[in-house]
Amino acid sequence: AQSVSQHNHHVILSEAASLELGCNYSYGGTVNLFWYVQYPGQHLQLLLKYFSGDPLVKGIKGFEAEFIKSKFSFNLRKPSVQWSDTAEYFCAVNPHGAAGNKLTFGGGTRVLVKP
Amino acid sequence: DADVTQTPRNRITKTGKRIMLECSQTKGHDRMYWYRQDPGLGLRLIYYSFDVKDINKGEISDGYSVSRQAQAKFSLSLESAIPNQTALYFCATSSTSGSERDEQFFGPGTRLTVL
Repeated sequence: AQSVSQHNHHVILSEAASLELGCNYSYGGTVNLFWYVQYPGQHLQLLLKYFSGDPLVKGIKGFEAEFIKSKFSFNLRKPSVQWSDTAEYFCAVNPHGAAGNKLTFGGGTRVLVKP
Repeated sequence: DADVTQTPRNRITKTGKRIMLECSQTKGHDRMYWYRQDPGLGLRLIYYSFDVKDINKGEISDGYSVSRQAQAKFSLSLESAIPNQTALYFCATSSTSGSERDEQFFGPGTRLTVL
């Protein structure tokens, strides 16, 4: 079975700092990759997704992620964060053709941006 | 109006009680899912459904049951609630076609506390 690791559980940074959140997965085949964000008190929303093609994916709100197949990684980045980026971020994976599109989530990274 | 709704949003109950959480969607998606979220563990899949006649267990189905009453409705039941089922529960939907293919859309969550 596949698994997803997010190594940073908590990140604290100041506004305008750069953000990079790590995500590694274990699965030998082709996968779809997702980053979701959960703002305080809200439901999960999709930031970006990768299915195939250009490994550098741009999402909403200035986020981007790079798929590095050789490293089984899909790290999320934002060059300059804002206070409103305070949220919990989840990486998720599902193998191509997986029955039921079952997503496997990482444990999440809580990001606090100080004004 | 929200595309995926959940009721109730908050529930406090006692050990041994039967609880039902309900999910409705207006997205017209055929696939629906129930997850629970626990701090540091991300989201874990409880049950998923391809369509009204197709129900499947996820990774943590013990102690839970589901009912897909219609394409738009998917209920989760705890037959006899126990304290370690205290968690945030999310319903999600997805489609197998179109521009939103394989993306999961989440409801606002139900916070369940079992005393």
